[in-house]
Amino acid sequence: SQKIEQNSEALNIQEGKTATLTCNYTNYSPAYLQWYRQDPGRGPVFLLLIRENEKEKRKERLKVTFDTTLKQSLFHITASQPADSATYLCALANTGGFKTIFGAGTRLFVKA
Amino acid sequence: DAGVIQSPRHEVTEMGQEVTLRCKPISGHDYLFWYRQTMMRGLELLIYFNNNVPIDDSGMPEDRFSAKMPNASFSTLKIQPSEPRDSAVYFCASSLGTGDQPQHFGDGTRLSIL
Repeated sequence: SQKIEQNSEALNIQEGKTATLTCNYTNYSPAYLQWYRQDPGRGPVFLLLIRENEKEKRKERLKVTFDTTLKQSLFHITASQPADSATYLCALANTGGFKTIFGAGTRLFVKA
Repeated sequence: DAGVIQSPRHEVTEMGQEVTLRCKPISGHDYLFWYRQTMMRGLELLIYFNNNVPIDDSGMPEDRFSAKMPNASFSTLKIQPSEPRDSAVYFCASSLGTGDQPQHFGDGTRLSIL
């Protein structure tokens, strides 16, 4: 069955450093990979989408890579800030009626 | 522009009672999704609609769960009878499409069944 794995352990980093979160998947060939941010008590908020034919996507301090051979996506936050502390979810998506599947998320803590 | 609106935000009820969760999607979005989030299982898709028609309900746990979308601006998720294991946060999301379109989530309903 389709499976998405994100680091279950929380990631603790110092302000100003780059945070790198990992999303691995099996038994799926997504056309798109999405990243969302979720704050406590709130719904997930869309951040970035990357297509299977794209290697890298950037938006301000965010960078996403997508390696369809390794079946892995990396999500980077450069110059991290305490306000970046949240849970980050990756999601695999496809067209043609396939469901979007979400990972369990990785909790990020950025210390001042 | 208003986002996805869910009500109630919190619901506490006793086992066996009927529970109805409500959702108003973003105007113009053709797709509506219902998810359930727990610590153990993460975010699970229960059912989704396209143009008010249910497309995939394979994630609905059992017959106690039902969902309707009577028009483009309203959907309900009903649990009858409710059980303690139904306790979770239920999210509604809407989007312009699947795949390459982002989903816009409401802030969820935190449901506790005693």
